[in-house]
Amino acid sequence: DTGVSQNPRHKITKRGQNVTFRCDPISEHNRLYWYRQTLGQGPEFLTYFQNEAQLEKSRLLSDRFSAERPKGSFSTLEIQRTEQGDSAMYLCASTRDQANYGYTFGSGTRLTVV
Amino acid sequence: QKEVEQNSGPLSVPEGAIASLNCTYSDRGSQSFFWYRQYSGKSPELIMFIYSNGDKEDGRFTAQLNKASQYVSLLIRDSQPSDSATYLCAGNNDMRFGAGTRLTVKP
Repeated sequence: DTGVSQNPRHKITKRGQNVTFRCDPISEHNRLYWYRQTLGQGPEFLTYFQNEAQLEKSRLLSDRFSAERPKGSFSTLEIQRTEQGDSAMYLCASTRDQANYGYTFGSGTRLTVV
Repeated sequence: QKEVEQNSGPLSVPEGAIASLNCTYSDRGSQSFFWYRQYSGKSPELIMFIYSNGDKEDGRFTAQLNKASQYVSLLIRDSQPSDSATYLCAGNNDMRFGAGTRLTVKP
């Protein structure tokens, strides 16, 4: 059990470029969540997966954001045509089954759009 | 609308005092509730979970749950400067977070 791994740790990109982040959950964890967090705010829900199925996506989420979880293992979050407002920490969390014992967060990917 | 609300911060207590953090939630689908601690620049870390009405104690931390009132709290006894962080709560059904409560423990 190596924990939840997120890559890259930091990403600096120019406005308008596409970026992709990866999350490797703890093995056998079938639920996976993506969050976005800006300074002074709590984590904002983006989307979540049960195995490979994306069960919910935030209504506030722009269609520039897309996430996948092929084969129910790792997940990717892609942001197309990045904007300065996308600058934030992107967090991934995973758990097993009904999550009665909590979720484990990765270290996050910090995105800076310049 | 699924929401989590926490007592507004920041909260400042002297070292050795009891810090009280509160959370109300609107989602009745959650059976378990979690308290996370987040240090500045770090990701949230699970410190307590509770799924039964009443109190659950773990060292200096006590979580309290009242499902009828949709209320969960966290007490930190003998607060230490190392407890200074933002505290977040969430339920297991939808894992939405509020803004968190920033706690500062002053030596």
